[in-house]
Amino acid sequence: DAGVIQSPRHEVTEMGQEVTLRCKPISGHNSLFWYRQTMMRGLELLIYFNNNVPIDDSGMPEDRFSAKMPNASFSTLKIQPSEPRDSAVYFCASSTGNSPLHFGNGTRLTVT
Amino acid sequence: GESVGLHLPTLSVQEGDNSIINCAYSNSASDYFIWYKQESGKGPQFIIDIRSNMDKRQGQRVTVLLNKTVKHLSLQIAATQPGDSAVYFCAENTGRRALTFGSGTRLQVQP
Repeated sequence: DAGVIQSPRHEVTEMGQEVTLRCKPISGHNSLFWYRQTMMRGLELLIYFNNNVPIDDSGMPEDRFSAKMPNASFSTLKIQPSEPRDSAVYFCASSTGNSPLHFGNGTRLTVT
Repeated sequence: GESVGLHLPTLSVQEGDNSIINCAYSNSASDYFIWYKQESGKGPQFIIDIRSNMDKRQGQRVTVLLNKTVKHLSLQIAATQPGDSAVYFCAENTGRRALTFGSGTRLQVQP
């Protein structure tokens, strides 16, 4: 079991640049979640998909954030343009049915 | 690795002792609760879960207790080991199928 795979592990970019984070969920899982973790706000849900369809994006902070899931094995979270306050660790998680969420090891984003 | 939270409450225990980590939740409609463990540089890892129709569930060295009357959840770790050192989060399902996480407790195990 490869688990949830996220890339890149670390991303350092300058303010104003576009950032794309990637996630491959566990095969067979039909729900996918994007979370953001910061020291001040802890783990926050940004958006989640069920069967590739976005169900709840109320946690997406601004229009600069967008997420897609073109197929069952891939999702992206894009920030355009990025700002220093977007610096955080972004986690992707997947699940199926009533199973617990399985998390990837995150992407640490630093925007300078 | 990433620092999860410099200002987290910290529980310090001696190796071999039992640990109890507490969590208060706010939504009385929550029907599913999970404990996660997060080590530095890694994502949260599932430990144990419990549904609201239960008040206790046991796993290997871990027990979760749920008190719905006071909306309180606890995680008990028996014979705590250095490898148990991590940040522990409780999470609740509020009906959206996505979990809402607490702020976390850092567990430090002294050898």
